[in-house]
Amino acid sequence: AQKITQTQPGMFVQEKEAVTLDCTYDTSDQSYGLFWYKQPSSGEMIFLIYQGSYDEQNATEGRYSLNFQKARKSANLVISASQLGDSAMYFCAMRATDSGGGADGLTFGKGTHLIIQP
Amino acid sequence: NAGVTQTPKFQVLKTGQSMTLQCAQDMNHEYMSWYRQDPGMGLRLIHYSVGAGITDQGEVPNGYNVSRSTTEDFPLRLLSAAPSQTSVYFCASSPRTGGFPEAFFGQGTRLTVV
Repeated sequence: AQKITQTQPGMFVQEKEAVTLDCTYDTSDQSYGLFWYKQPSSGEMIFLIYQGSYDEQNATEGRYSLNFQKARKSANLVISASQLGDSAMYFCAMRATDSGGGADGLTFGKGTHLIIQP
Repeated sequence: NAGVTQTPKFQVLKTGQSMTLQCAQDMNHEYMSWYRQDPGMGLRLIHYSVGAGITDQGEVPNGYNVSRSTTEDFPLRLLSAAPSQTSVYFCASSPRTGGFPEAFFGQGTRLTVV
């Protein structure tokens, strides 16, 4: 079984500052994928970034980067130059391998509520 | 480009009533799943399917049934609604390729059981 821990229930950040959202995970699988999703107040789930367990380089997508430290089992999301529109819930999630060898369902953390202040 | 479509968006049920939440995707994805989101709990997997005719239980399956007769559709049935099933329900799909593809989510269904 997998477990995702997000220890920051809420964060306040000044606009244009960088912000790091923490995520630690626990799994006995050697192969897995790590994801970050954004959920604005409108409720939809928006995929941000993905990191595979065997990827040697940290993933980046525009202003988003994933600080992957495999030995520490952490996958922190870094948002550079934060904007007011970044205010939302952020969820860390992972997929491992199911019994059929395909990707399993997502296991989510409880989320971090990020508020960007002008 | 509809993606994953859930209906209805909002629903109020009385305790003991049954209903079906609909989910359809037009991306020819093999993998489909249902999650529920409760305050402070994140999303939790209810049921999932790796293809037509194949379903399996997730973390919180009790009180829910699913079936997968086509690749496109994956309905979630509440047999006898309970107040504990008040939640926001998300359907998601992803291709069954190598690795760990991202999941594409529907807009969600907000269900209230009174």
